[in-house]
Amino acid sequence: GAVVSQHPSWVICKSGTSVKIECRSLDFQATTMFWYRQFPKQSLMLMATSNEGSKATYEQGVEKDKFLINHASLTLSTLTVTSAHPEDSSFYICSARDPRGSGSYEQYFGPGTRLTVT
Amino acid sequence: RKEVEQDPGPFNVPEGATVAFNCTYSNSASQSFFWYRQDCRKEPKLLMSVYSSGNEDGRFTAQLNRASQYISLLIRDSKLSDSATYLCVVKGNKLTFGGGTRVLVKP
Repeated sequence: GAVVSQHPSWVICKSGTSVKIECRSLDFQATTMFWYRQFPKQSLMLMATSNEGSKATYEQGVEKDKFLINHASLTLSTLTVTSAHPEDSSFYICSARDPRGSGSYEQYFGPGTRLTVT
Repeated sequence: RKEVEQDPGPFNVPEGATVAFNCTYSNSASQSFFWYRQDCRKEPKLLMSVYSSGNEDGRFTAQLNRASQYISLLIRDSKLSDSATYLCVVKGNKLTFGGGTRVLVKP
């Protein structure tokens, strides 16, 4: 079964509004979660690394004031797209690292959130 | 140059045939390598890790060539359900995804 959930699975919003996406780890505590963005026919691009209880680390070129990340608990990280514009329309995917991994890199992906900004 | 490069395809494969494709990576310090599968409008799912000695999981065989900095995936006896985009993923201090290779298995 799914170990990482995302909500909502899809959202349509008007330009200028803000959208919050939630990512939850369902049966483990994730000290680290990751947010990716995928445009059509392109690869997943890491946007930021979210660490519980501290500020997120953003990748080069990702505006931290536009993409607000909050990782307030060990099972929940949120991404808020502020003042969304049509060019922000994309597939947003989170993933969570399972610290119980046996040494291999256990990173589980959520089902993604498809954002369409009109 | 992209950190992880893949032939985007599509590879059109007759059902039952074998298909193989590679992925090259630029960072020689990369530690771990994976193949993920992504279906249309879905999240990527781990297909298999890639080990230096090569490894097999059913009809799937992965190889790693550190000297030439590439990994490969071979699918034997292709099934219609193998149609998907296969993502090459390289781990350094983070996961870096290739653009994916699209495989279409046809009857």
